[in-house]
Amino acid sequence: DTGVSQDPRHKITKRGQNVTFRCDPISEHNRLYWYRQTLGQGPEFLTYFQNEAQLEKSRLLSDRFSAERPKGSFSTLEIQRTEQGDSAMYLCASSLRQGGLYEQYFGPGTRLTVT
Amino acid sequence: AQSVTQLGSHVSVSEGALVLLRCNYSSSVPPYLFWYVQYPNQGLQLLLKYTSAATLVKGINGFEAEFKKSETSFHLTKPSAHMSDAAEYFCAVSDGKGTYKYIFGTGTRLKVLA
Repeated sequence: DTGVSQDPRHKITKRGQNVTFRCDPISEHNRLYWYRQTLGQGPEFLTYFQNEAQLEKSRLLSDRFSAERPKGSFSTLEIQRTEQGDSAMYLCASSLRQGGLYEQYFGPGTRLTVT
Repeated sequence: AQSVTQLGSHVSVSEGALVLLRCNYSSSVPPYLFWYVQYPNQGLQLLLKYTSAATLVKGINGFEAEFKKSETSFHLTKPSAHMSDAAEYFCAVSDGKGTYKYIFGTGTRLKVLA
């Protein structure tokens, strides 16, 4: 069990550029979640996958955001035409049902700065 | 809808003093509750969780929390603060169904004074 990994850890981009983040979950976990954490706030749910299917998207996920999880393994989160308001920490978590709960294990996050 | 309220965005305690971080939740179903710690520029580390077993939950690093249904509270405590406890702490609730997504509070930043 190597834990959840995210890449890159930090990304600085100019407004209007596209960025893509990657999340590698714990290998046997079938669920994968994305959260966004802005400065001084708690993480907020963006979307989640069960295997390769994206089952729910928050209204925070505008049309400029897209997430995929091909083959039910790693996931990518793409932001098109970045805006300064997209600056945040993007957290990924994976989970597997145990004892009636999908306990989530979080990665280290990707900090995005849009200049 | 579920929600979490953390009272006190900043808490300062002296080293060796009691730590008390407050969390109140709102949930229409029996909740799953969590406390996480976050150090600067790092992800979330689970301190402890309540999953409807014992109401007093012991976690890592000497932290514990008590689930009080009548008060809809899940406060985090530690008998004696250490300098290394300085961090941001988040309380979260999951409804235990459907998405199982977590709803987080806005966090409490703990400062430990020497």
